[in-house]
Amino acid sequence: DAGVTQSPTHLIKTRGQHVTLRCSPISGHKSVSWYQQVLGQGPQFIFQYYEKEERGRGNFPDRFSARQFPNYSSELNVNALLLGDSALYLCASSLGGVGSPLHFGNGTRLTVT
Amino acid sequence: QKEVEQNSGPLSVPEGAIASLNCTYSDRVSQSFFWYRQYSGKSPELIMSIYSNGDKEDGRFTAQLNKASQYVSLLIRDSQPSDSATYLCAVIMDSNYQLIWGAGTKLIIKP
Repeated sequence: DAGVTQSPTHLIKTRGQHVTLRCSPISGHKSVSWYQQVLGQGPQFIFQYYEKEERGRGNFPDRFSARQFPNYSSELNVNALLLGDSALYLCASSLGGVGSPLHFGNGTRLTVT
Repeated sequence: QKEVEQNSGPLSVPEGAIASLNCTYSDRVSQSFFWYRQYSGKSPELIMSIYSNGDKEDGRFTAQLNKASQYVSLLIRDSQPSDSATYLCAVIMDSNYQLIWGAGTKLIIKP
């Protein structure tokens, strides 16, 4: 079975631009979570979606938004990019129950110049 | 402030020895605990999950949970150079399903 797939793998954007990151979960997984990871730190929670509804939101500004589609794939959108948004963006899927382990995609490396 | 604490390392262990990684968490009611391995530039990979007090073994890996003392550990037996990576501890601390992550411990296995 295919794992979590993310696209694109790398992205270079300029300050002020907008970016859309995409994620397809493992087949059968109904929950998708988004994380931001900067070098030397653990992943920071951005959003979790379950059955197309937002289940949780981390401490990120409103420039960050996400949605989940009927096929459980998801998009993360970031507006008005800042240099500090440069990071590895990770998508993880899970079955969705409490305590369900997360399975990560390979991530999207975003560089803002 | 809900926190997960790990020693950042690096922790250097000879090949073939036991590597011991520790993690403490702040929320006494936490129920779900996970260990992930992350190679440089790659995404985290699930190694173990543990939900009850005691030990859970999977191959060379053993997770240990002590809820009274609020710590969870990971033991790696017969350490191999391929085990060299950053090990992340993650905890679900309440019913909002959110994982709280430690910053990770860098493990180096010396041949």
